[in-house]
Amino acid sequence: ILNVEQSPQSLHVQEGDSTNFTCSFPSSNFYALHWYRWETAKSPEALFVMTLNGDEKKKGRISATLNTKEGYSYLYIKGSQPEDSATYLCARINAGNMLTFGGGTRLMVKP
Amino acid sequence: SAVISQKPSRDICQRGTSLTIQCQVDSQVTMMFWYRQQPGQSLTLIATANQGSEATYESGFVIDKFPISRPNLTFSTLTVSNMSPEDSSIYLCSVSDRSNQPQHFGDGTRLSIL
Repeated sequence: ILNVEQSPQSLHVQEGDSTNFTCSFPSSNFYALHWYRWETAKSPEALFVMTLNGDEKKKGRISATLNTKEGYSYLYIKGSQPEDSATYLCARINAGNMLTFGGGTRLMVKP
Repeated sequence: SAVISQKPSRDICQRGTSLTIQCQVDSQVTMMFWYRQQPGQSLTLIATANQGSEATYESGFVIDKFPISRPNLTFSTLTVSNMSPEDSSIYLCSVSDRSNQPQHFGDGTRLSIL
């Protein structure tokens, strides 16, 4: 994998459903992976910074896992709510603290 | 976390004109970055704004098109020069102090070129 890739591009779920998305990234020279949540007309908000293989982080109903050897991270949302509707971005940190972003997963939660 | 004020929040500009976007931070920060998100594309780094020296541009971005200033540790500007419809994007500034900390973003500038 040469770039940071996210799937799916978009996702529609019903309120109360649990869901997950994938972020794939180059596994060589890994520093850290960031997850951000970006609501329309707002600034991207940091969710997690993940650095170690096997990391699992949780913030409320949202959690993430990291596999640096195979180059992927999963973001999980348990019991989705309409306010979870946003674009979820992952980004790989390069040397110099520069972020390479994936294309994002746009989540829409229907009430 | 740092509070970032980005102006303008949106603008509609004529082809061939230039627009300067400002990014003000409420505290001194080590690193400031400028990003662009074209419609349907991922967020892409334009350049790293360096205090007191020329910005470091990523592949595909040049100083003549996107001049950047950073006179101090709390302020930076990005100019989009000689605009064309392809420059219609969301432009974001972000700041960071350490590589193991998340970046903090401004609210973005939504730019449309007619």
